[in-house]
Parts: sequence; C-alpha cells; structure tokens
Amino acid sequence: AQSVTQLDSQVPVFEEAPVELRCNYSSSVSVYLFWYVQYPNQGLQLLLKYLSGSTLVKSINGFEAEFNKSQTSFHLRKPSVHISDTAEYFCAVSPGNTPLVFGKGTRLSVIA
Amino acid sequence: DGGITQSPKYLFRKEGQNVTLSCEQNLNHDAMYWYRQDPGQGLRLIYYSQIVNDFQKGDIAEGYSVSREKKESFPLTVTSAQKNPTAFYLCASRSRGALSTDTQYFGPGTRLTVL
Repeated sequence: AQSVTQLDSQVPVFEEAPVELRCNYSSSVSVYLFWYVQYPNQGLQLLLKYLSGSTLVKSINGFEAEFNKSQTSFHLRKPSVHISDTAEYFCAVSPGNTPLVFGKGTRLSVIA
Repeated sequence: DGGITQSPKYLFRKEGQNVTLSCEQNLNHDAMYWYRQDPGQGLRLIYYSQIVNDFQKGDIAEGYSVSREKKESFPLTVTSAQKNPTAFYLCASRSRGALSTDTQYFGPGTRLTVL
C-alpha cells in the first residue's frame, strides 16, 4: 500500500524568509506526485506535479519541488514567502489506477 | 465556467437525520471522489466512482452511501449510522480515473455540523 508522510504539521516562518515543507512517500511501484494548497474554508488547488522528466518542477507563484527517488521524497520549497502563502499544503501520490493518497497536511503560517 | 459545484456550503442537521450533500461537475470527467477532512487528519477517502453506475468504497465508507446515475453528479448521503458526521466534505473529479497523470480537481466543500 502507498502512504505519504508530511513530517511537519505546522511551519511558522517570517515573511520573505525561505521555507521547505517536507514530504516522503512509500510505494512499491512508480508513482506520480502532487502538491495541493488549501486556503481557509476552500477546496484544494493543484500547486504543482511531478509526472516524469526533470525532477525539479515549478509553480507559477514561485514554489518548486524536487523529486528524489532514492530518498522517496518530494519536498516543497519557496525562497521567499509572502503573507498570502499562508495556507495548508498537502502532498499526494498517485500510484496507478487508484485514487490519490494524501498526507495529513502542513499548515504554513507566514508572520509579518 | 467549468468546475465542480458543491451545495450547500454550510449544512446543519440534527443527530439521527440522514443528509445528502450535492456534487455536480461540468468538466466531463469520468471519475469522481468524496473525501472527508478533519483537523490534523488530512483527507480521507469515503467513496469513489470511475464510471457511471459504478462506485467503490474508500477507507472510511461506513455510515455513508453514494449513487452515480449521471456522469456529472455524485451525491453523498451521510446516514444516521455515521457516528461522528461533523466534518468538512470535499468532492473531486478527474478526467480519466485510470490514468494517474490526470489532475484531480476539487469543489469548494460543504461543512456539515450535526447538532
């Protein structure tokens, strides 16, 4: 069975500082990896995804994630965060012909 | 605009009553999903359907029921058998459930409170 572990449930960070949200997964087959963002009382929005090719993937708002197969990780990073990045972030894995498996989420709080 | 609609946004019910949450999509997606979200527990899969007139139980199906009579609609009924129904419910869809590269889109959610 596949599983996703998000190592930090909450991450506070000052505005304009860098941040890393950690995600590890376990799977016996090749997977595709996703990061979703959820703002308060809203649904989830896709932030970025890794399907194949370059292991570094980027979003339009400055986030990036790197797929590391040997460490089974897909950490999300941003070099300089803004207040508007305050949200909950979910890592997910798609192992094949089954629904996405989500981690428990990391709440990012950006402090002015 | 294409997307997923969930109604209502907030729902209050008395204990012991069944309640049905609506989910409609106009994305022409084959696969649809229901998740339950509780603080600190992430998203847990309740039911999913990859094609009309077919659905499968997820990890926490007990106390819930679904139907998929139309491609665009996937209502979820929370029955009185669900011991702790107060939660945020999210509906999602995906264009072809069998292809894991396709993006999964989410509706805005329904917050159910059982009094």
